[in-house]
Amino acid sequence: DGGITQSPKYLFRKEGQNVTLSCEQNLNHDAMYWYRQDPGQGLRLIYYSQIVNDFQKGDIAEGYSVSREKKESFPLTVTSAQKNPTAFYLCASSAHYVGVYEQYFGPGTRLTVT
Amino acid sequence: AQKVTQAQTEISVVEKEDVTLDCVYETRDTTYYLFWYKQPPSGELVFLIRRNSFDEQNEISGRYSWNFQKSTSSFNFTITASQVVDSAVYFCALRGERKSSGDKLTFGTGTRLAVRP
Repeated sequence: DGGITQSPKYLFRKEGQNVTLSCEQNLNHDAMYWYRQDPGQGLRLIYYSQIVNDFQKGDIAEGYSVSREKKESFPLTVTSAQKNPTAFYLCASSAHYVGVYEQYFGPGTRLTVT
Repeated sequence: AQKVTQAQTEISVVEKEDVTLDCVYETRDTTYYLFWYKQPPSGELVFLIRRNSFDEQNEISGRYSWNFQKSTSSFNFTITASQVVDSAVYFCALRGERKSSGDKLTFGTGTRLAVRP
């Protein structure tokens, strides 16, 4: 089955610890994205990558870091510098050819930092 | 800058009622793309539809229909004969021209739809 997997579904960390969220896709998509969702708000873009070994900051990149060493994988690290890390994190991917392709989303990871 | 407004925060209807979710957008791009996504309680966003700015034809898919009007910058979503399974948060999103905004989507804040039996 083709799709996007995110693990774990729930993650708990102590304040001051870095934590890495996993995102893997087997859709052969070039582009991948990380969003953050807070209650009552829409999705906000953290980072995105249109090709391997390249990525760009989104609207709320501070306190986060990413890597794109493989086409299938786009892990997100929430660092201790992120002031309000508790949120629902969604990973997405899309084709990146001429034309427009919708983004497909993973099931999300709910991160709680105390 | 691009913006998507979903003014309806929450809507509650009784099963079999029709319901319309509003979406108003702002963009300076002449070519742009509009999307609707559904987020059920499980959390995963499910793609429903994409509409290009140069195609104002309305679309119907089963009980779902979409009304795109460039004159009012709106892309509204109607569910006919709603069902309990339609209960979810619905997001409208906008993507501009690739040269100006890349592949970035701008999302509205979502409308939570509750369908009561």
